[in-house]
Amino acid sequence: EVQVVESGGDLVQPGRSLRLSCTTSGFSFGDYAMNWVRQAPGKGLEWVGFIRSKTYGGTTQYAASVEGRFSISRDDSESIAYLQMNSLKTEDTAIYYCSRLILGRRNGFDVWGQGTMVTVSS
Amino acid sequence: QSALTQPASVSGSPGQSITISCTGTSSDVGGYNYVSWYQQHPGKAPKLMIYDVSNRPSGVSNRFSGSKSGNTASLTISGLQAEDEADYYCNSYTSTSIRVFGGGTKLTVL
Repeated sequence: EVQVVESGGDLVQPGRSLRLSCTTSGFSFGDYAMNWVRQAPGKGLEWVGFIRSKTYGGTTQYAASVEGRFSISRDDSESIAYLQMNSLKTEDTAIYYCSRLILGRRNGFDVWGQGTMVTVSS
Repeated sequence: QSALTQPASVSGSPGQSITISCTGTSSDVGGYNYVSWYQQHPGKAPKLMIYDVSNRPSGVSNRFSGSKSGNTASLTISGLQAEDEADYYCNSYTSTSIRVFGGGTKLTVL
């Protein structure tokens, strides 16, 4: 069964850091680009960023709202993607979802985790 | 990159058809056939309904269809059912390779 499970969400103070994990199973993780999407309480979805597969350089891209503060990495040997969040702000409070991009496509997040909650508050 | 524009809400009666629009620019929706649509029920993760403007993933009902004209993409749901009541989001690839979501549309089945 194809699965994506996020973990690492927590209550953290503004300015601190947090790392989220996206643990996957049931598919060839190394072949896929992985995305992070967040949803603030009562709000819509916001694309955060993604990391390409090593085939495409393993490069990353980010939304302007997190550029320079967040970074995405991947460990293909463990089938895990990470979201490192630094200099957290109260507006980063959200459920963070990890999702898989359809193989070989430029859009279409076809597998999603259940999300992990990040609360940034003093 | 600004969010794509969707109507805040739409409604329809069971059996009817509804269409949700998603308006962007020539740098996103209008420039590429890379628009996808997601359904989200309360407290649940989003679910992919359409990708590449009009393609349905395996397992998605053929009552869901997508199209695009110029800078506006559309999701049409025919034969509306109570279970279709949810929030719907569009997403597009952009000229800078980042992705952008629409603000979301709440579908109410009357």
